[in-house]
Amino acid sequence: AQSVSQHNHHVILSEAASLELGCNYSYGGTVNLFWYVQYPGQHLQLLLKYFSGDPLVKGIKGFEAEFIKSKFSFNLRKPSVQWSDTAEYFCAVAGGSQGNLIFGKGTKLSVKP
Amino acid sequence: DAGVIQSPRHEVTEMGQEVTLRCKPISGHNSLFWYRQTMMRGLELLIYFNNNVPIDDSGMPEDRFSAKMPNASFSTLKIQPSEPRDSAVYFCASSLQGNYGYTFGSGTRLTVV
Repeated sequence: AQSVSQHNHHVILSEAASLELGCNYSYGGTVNLFWYVQYPGQHLQLLLKYFSGDPLVKGIKGFEAEFIKSKFSFNLRKPSVQWSDTAEYFCAVAGGSQGNLIFGKGTKLSVKP
Repeated sequence: DAGVIQSPRHEVTEMGQEVTLRCKPISGHNSLFWYRQTMMRGLELLIYFNNNVPIDDSGMPEDRFSAKMPNASFSTLKIQPSEPRDSAVYFCASSLQGNYGYTFGSGTRLTVV
């Protein structure tokens, strides 16, 4: 069965600090990988996605993620965070023919101004 | 594009009452998903439909929960009878062909007292 692990439950950073959120998945076949963001009180929005090709994926708002197949990882990065990046971030994987997304438990990011 | 539309946004009901949550997916999307989000359990997939047909309802917690998709533009999630532990935010999401990332609705915050 597919599963997604996000290593950090809560990350606290100061503005301008660099960010890396870990995500590991378990699935033996071809996967599509996603990062979603949920701002306080809002619904989930797609940040970026990986289907194939260049393993370094660039998303909105300066975020990027790198797919490392050998490590089953898809970590999210941003070189310099802003207070407005305070949100919860969810990694998700879709595999197989049906395409239902399996989400990690989420990582809450708090950015101090 | 109005996005995925959920109603109501908030619902407060008494234990034992029937609750119906509604979802209108994005026109043209042929997959629809119902998720429940709580602090304790994160995002849980309850059920999903492909082309109006339920594919996997293994996430539905118990028989008190039921979901229908009578046509491509409407789905309901019903809880009867409701219990306090059903209190959560329920999200509906839709996608095209299931594997290409979801668009989420704004969610229904359900409180059962």
